[in-house]
Amino acid sequence: ILNVEQSPQSLHVQEGDSTNFTCSFPSSNFYALHWYRWETAKSPEALFVMTLNGDEKKKGRISATLNTKEGYSYLYIKGSQPEDSATYLCADSRDGSARQLTFGSGTQLTVLP
Amino acid sequence: NAGVTQTPKFQVLKTGQSMTLQCAQDMNHNSMYWYRQDPGMGLRLIYYSASEGTTDKGEVPNGYNVSRLNKREFSLRLESAAPSQTSVYFCASSLKLGTANQPQHFGDGTRLSIL
Repeated sequence: ILNVEQSPQSLHVQEGDSTNFTCSFPSSNFYALHWYRWETAKSPEALFVMTLNGDEKKKGRISATLNTKEGYSYLYIKGSQPEDSATYLCADSRDGSARQLTFGSGTQLTVLP
Repeated sequence: NAGVTQTPKFQVLKTGQSMTLQCAQDMNHNSMYWYRQDPGMGLRLIYYSASEGTTDKGEVPNGYNVSRLNKREFSLRLESAAPSQTSVYFCASSLKLGTANQPQHFGDGTRLSIL
């Protein structure tokens, strides 16, 4: 793949459900993978930055994994809450200088009470 | 701590008008960026500034100019606005370009409509 792709585009889950979504990126020239959380009417907020194959990061109920060899990252949310409703963006950096981030179009998560 | 501040928040322009979007950060970051967000698309980089005194084109620079006025401020100018530039514009900053594990910090965005 040439671009950063995120799936699904949107999903609705019930409060308390666990969920996950995918970010796919070119595996060649990989430098870093970023995840951002973007609530409506607010600015994107950094969740994780990962650089090493096999990296796994966690912040509260949210965690992420990274596979640089096959070019994908998973974001997991355990026990979803309505306040988790947001668009989750991933972005990769492919050159060694990390000049540019290439963003995916995001996964829009709605957690229903 | 204000972080990244963008002004204005909203603006409506007529085709052909010019305008400057302002961005300032108070985190002593070296690198700053301007993105545009269009429906169904990811954030696309317009211009970036690795450090004070330098600017470089991103993915979609046509129709825009930038100025890195000092370490804090990075402005985006539309010289002759076109309807295709209707978008939401985000400014961001990061501690230092070239450091893989540095996240970007975003402003709240400027919603710009060109009639």
